[in-house]
Amino acid sequence: QKEVEQNSGPLSVPEGAIASLNCTYSDRGSQSFFWYRQYSGKSPELIMSIYSNGDKEDGRFTAQLNKASQYVSLLIRDSQPSDSATYLCAATYNNNDMRFGAGTRLTVKP
Amino acid sequence: DGGITQSPKYLFRKEGQNVTLSCEQNLNHDAMYWYRQDPGQGLRLIYYSQIVNDFQKGDIAEGYSVSREKKESFPLTVTSAQKNPTAFYLCASRDPTRETQYFGPGTRLLVL
Repeated sequence: QKEVEQNSGPLSVPEGAIASLNCTYSDRGSQSFFWYRQYSGKSPELIMSIYSNGDKEDGRFTAQLNKASQYVSLLIRDSQPSDSATYLCAATYNNNDMRFGAGTRLTVKP
Repeated sequence: DGGITQSPKYLFRKEGQNVTLSCEQNLNHDAMYWYRQDPGQGLRLIYYSQIVNDFQKGDIAEGYSVSREKKESFPLTVTSAQKNPTAFYLCASRDPTRETQYFGPGTRLLVL
């Protein structure tokens, strides 16, 4: 069974802090990994993609991938109230099969 | 502007009624997908299509049907056989250069 697991949260951090979101996946055949942000009542929007081991930074966001541990994480630095949303982790298998975690709900308190 | 559109935004279904959700994209993507999202849950794959005139069942295809007569369009029909259709329905298409999927704004289906 190809599964993607996330802590459901909710995760609450104060404004300006670092938010750390974690994700594990079950199938070592997974090739690509993504983080989506979903505001309440809206559709998911892609914020980060990562394909190889290590860190990838984009502005305040850093994605980390460790294929040996089957672990993906997302760090949000200088968290803002506008970052409050549900974050979905996704992993692809064979290009046409994308599996999503249930999401972690993040609240950034002013 | 390139993107994915879904209509309607809200849809109400009566018992025993079939309803069709529209999904259109002008991104020139071959692959398109339909997902269902229930409150507090992740996305579950209903159907996907890799190319025109071809589609495959996902994990929860029972009670749903699709067609793919044009590259741009991938409509989803929720049939009367789907006994619990209330959910948020998301259509996506896949960018083959980045191996990622982009979503439309979604359709919220409610049962009267």
